[in-house]
Amino acid sequence: NAGVTQTPKFQVLKTGQSMTLQCAQDMNHNSMYWYRQDPGMGLRLIYYSASEGTTDKGEVPNGYNVSRLNKREFSLRLESAAPSQTSVYFCASSSGTGIYEQYFGPGTRLTVT
Amino acid sequence: AQSVAQPEDQVNVAEGNPLTVKCTYSVSGNPYLFWYVQYPNRGLQFLLKYITGDNLVKGSYGFEAEFNKSQTSFHLKKPSALVSDSALYFCAVGGGYQKVTFGTGTKLQVIP
Repeated sequence: NAGVTQTPKFQVLKTGQSMTLQCAQDMNHNSMYWYRQDPGMGLRLIYYSASEGTTDKGEVPNGYNVSRLNKREFSLRLESAAPSQTSVYFCASSSGTGIYEQYFGPGTRLTVT
Repeated sequence: AQSVAQPEDQVNVAEGNPLTVKCTYSVSGNPYLFWYVQYPNRGLQFLLKYITGDNLVKGSYGFEAEFNKSQTSFHLKKPSALVSDSALYFCAVGGGYQKVTFGTGTKLQVIP
């Protein structure tokens, strides 16, 4: 039982390059989330998927797209990376939204130069 | 809109002393409140949550939190701090079908 896994762990991109961050969970959770963590800003929600087949914008969605591929997998895509997207990205999952605790992956540290 | 405030960026406490990490919230309707801990270079780990019922909630690693509706607070506590408790702590609030909103985090430093 691996919980929530994320790939890659580290990535360096040049401005304008694209990439996809992968996330998978093996807990049969309905809801999945993408956050970014920046110093002094806490966690900010980028996108979430309340259930398979649905996605919704969070607090900071600009510059990102997501795909809920199936119940297990939720990917985050940066189409044209910018230095402002340098951050640590966390994927999380939960049984449902609102009242359920979330389980987090180990994070992806992304640097955009 | 719901929000969470963690008024202290850092809390220092001596090993063996009681610790408190503060959190206040704002939400319409019934609050669902959470505490998470983050160790260096790791993802967040769930500690405890308040949904309804007893105002004192017990969680992992000897932590507990006190829900105070009149003060809209949900402070995290532990009777005796350990050096290994040093980490970043996040308070979060959710409600019904809404997504959860996280605070900015409080760094806890336990001094040997």
